[in-house]
Amino acid sequence: GAVVSQHPSRVICKSGTSVKIECRSLDFQATTMFWYRQFPKKSLMLMATSNEGSKATYEQGVEKDKFLINHASLTLSTLTVTSAHPEDSSFYICSARSGTGRNTQYFGPGTRLTVL
Amino acid sequence: EDQVTQSPEALRLQEGESSSLNCSYTVSGLRGLFWYRQDPGKGPEFLFTLYSAGEEKEKERLKATLTKKESFLHITAPKPEDSATYLCAVRDAGGTSYGKLTFGQGTILTVHP
Repeated sequence: GAVVSQHPSRVICKSGTSVKIECRSLDFQATTMFWYRQFPKKSLMLMATSNEGSKATYEQGVEKDKFLINHASLTLSTLTVTSAHPEDSSFYICSARSGTGRNTQYFGPGTRLTVL
Repeated sequence: EDQVTQSPEALRLQEGESSSLNCSYTVSGLRGLFWYRQDPGKGPEFLFTLYSAGEEKEKERLKATLTKKESFLHITAPKPEDSATYLCAVRDAGGTSYGKLTFGQGTILTVHP
């Protein structure tokens, strides 16, 4: 299957700082990338959908000024958690999909964010 | 609104004891039902996509089937390394959804040696 990478895999930061997470599709062009959040022993919660070159579409209840998403190219999307607080601590996972139709969504390995 | 319900929440099997996981779904127009495997602290790993009722797919000890209302993931003679959380998701044919997936809560499978 296709390969999606995330960086960093784990990050610890102080409250009030901003953290950037990168998501890259390594062997295909991702026209659409998705950002999820996962709480312990819970399923994936979609935060936003981003298409290359256009603004991200956020799910209801997700603050777009808090979680900045940039899909700068067909292989890179970034999620920036601004002014992070302890309640933002979570497992963030990105996924990427090429084209439309029957294309599968492939997931990255996830980023564990801990805000002190 | 799309809904996906997985059962059971947790399943404990002995090595070699075959069983099935269920995924019931409600969607306006199905554009794919997906099964993923997730290990602790990792991202989901793609297993199967099913598109129409009656379709079946197999991979090693796993077999996925699909009806108009539900999907089953059959595990034949499981091994301890099959222990993981299995996630089911649907994609609907909604116009501006960009193919987003709606996930079930997952089934935590534990296979004891």
